[in-house]
Amino acid sequence: GAVVSQHPSWVICKSGTSVKIECRSLDFQATTMFWYRQFPKQSLMLMATSNEGSKATYEQGVEKDKFLINHASLTLSTLTVTSAHPEDSSFYICSASIASGGYNEQFFGPGTRLTVL
Amino acid sequence: AQSVTQPDIHITVSEGASLELRCNYSYGATPYLFWYVQSPGQGLQLLLKYFSGDTLVQGIKGFEAEFKRSQSSFNLRKPSVHWSDAAEYFCAVGARGDKLIFGTGTRLQVFP
Repeated sequence: GAVVSQHPSWVICKSGTSVKIECRSLDFQATTMFWYRQFPKQSLMLMATSNEGSKATYEQGVEKDKFLINHASLTLSTLTVTSAHPEDSSFYICSASIASGGYNEQFFGPGTRLTVL
Repeated sequence: AQSVTQPDIHITVSEGASLELRCNYSYGATPYLFWYVQSPGQGLQLLLKYFSGDTLVQGIKGFEAEFKRSQSSFNLRKPSVHWSDAAEYFCAVGARGDKLIFGTGTRLQVFP
């Protein structure tokens, strides 16, 4: 149980275009989803936290107009990279958690490799 | 400030040897602690977690970790490493709002 999927697994796009990445919880309803960015050989940096039906909370330094997050249902969150540029190339990973009282464990998706030419 | 430190960027061991990956944390309250493994180009897989109770935690794939409050450590161990264990290992602490703060990771290389 607690499987999280991401689509696409990899995407190549031209500079200036927008790219949408989907994150789905397949067998549970996720009250909260998280989006991370990982540069090569580096750790995961939290970009934003999203709760179903409300606006995402972005971490300091993350441009919310560039990285649009929508959490329309309890099983789906999307990250749209708008007007992508080569410096946006990265590995994007989402996670989802279930509210169960106390600390809510995150379950991670397999990641999406974005390359902007 | 909350933080996680993994002092070893890269560790190389021979197959069959024992392994210990170090993790130190800085957190004001009782921490929730995690170890994740990431294979190249993949997402994160949870190896084990500590929330409370027994300070020696057993995980998947033969891994274990020991929580030592006095040392603010949560080191990961495995008695005999297999070639398939070669990967990146991340220690993390759970913070407010269910956020995770990750360490910088330790890359494990296994020689036959």
